[in-house]
Amino acid sequence: DQQVKQNSPSLSVQEGRISILNCDYTNSMFDYFLWYKKYPAEGPTFLISISSIKDKNEDGRFTVFLNKSAKHLSLHIVPSQPGDSAVYFCAASDSGTYKYIFGTGTRLKVLA
Amino acid sequence: ETGVTQSPTHLIKTRGQQVTLRCSSQSGHNTVSWYQQALGQGPQFIFQYYREEENGRGNFPPRFSGLQFPNYSSELNVNALELDDSALYLCASSTGTSGGYTDTQYFGPGTRLTVL
Repeated sequence: DQQVKQNSPSLSVQEGRISILNCDYTNSMFDYFLWYKKYPAEGPTFLISISSIKDKNEDGRFTVFLNKSAKHLSLHIVPSQPGDSAVYFCAASDSGTYKYIFGTGTRLKVLA
Repeated sequence: ETGVTQSPTHLIKTRGQQVTLRCSSQSGHNTVSWYQQALGQGPQFIFQYYREEENGRGNFPPRFSGLQFPNYSSELNVNALELDDSALYLCASSTGTSGGYTDTQYFGPGTRLTVL
């Protein structure tokens, strides 16, 4: 049972344009969400997080949006840069446990 | 650079053997979590330790066990290796000061285990 889903395995975007990565979840107990970026041969790198009391969080070029009623979150990268090319994972957690549940990842390719 | 290191980088074992993977957390991080990432999948939670005690466990059999030491290092032990144990094993550390779940976990580079 996949509680966190990233339905797009890959995404290609032109440099300078917006990248939008999507994530859906099924467990209504989740109240903390994160995005990680992963390069080959490296561990996941934390990008940005959001708690369920907010619907938006920004950090530089990265913005995460949370729609609790739709159980959906998205990561916007503006403007996209070639160095953003990586696999992006969304993860979710709830206050009853300390584990993160990860999606299967979306491979982003930013074309120069 | 997260300050979380793991060793070894790569490891090849045969079915039935035992393996120990090591992790060194960031200084001051009292919580360490271990994840298994199979090819094409997201990381799957194995277990978490907080101040040397197991704090939670995912759907992994008892042959997966761990230890956490006072010096911010930890181990993942896997007994009776199976072919399906081939994966990238990641450890992640967090401060553990805010009650756990909102403490961002910072990952190491992982250990690639191949079981033949």
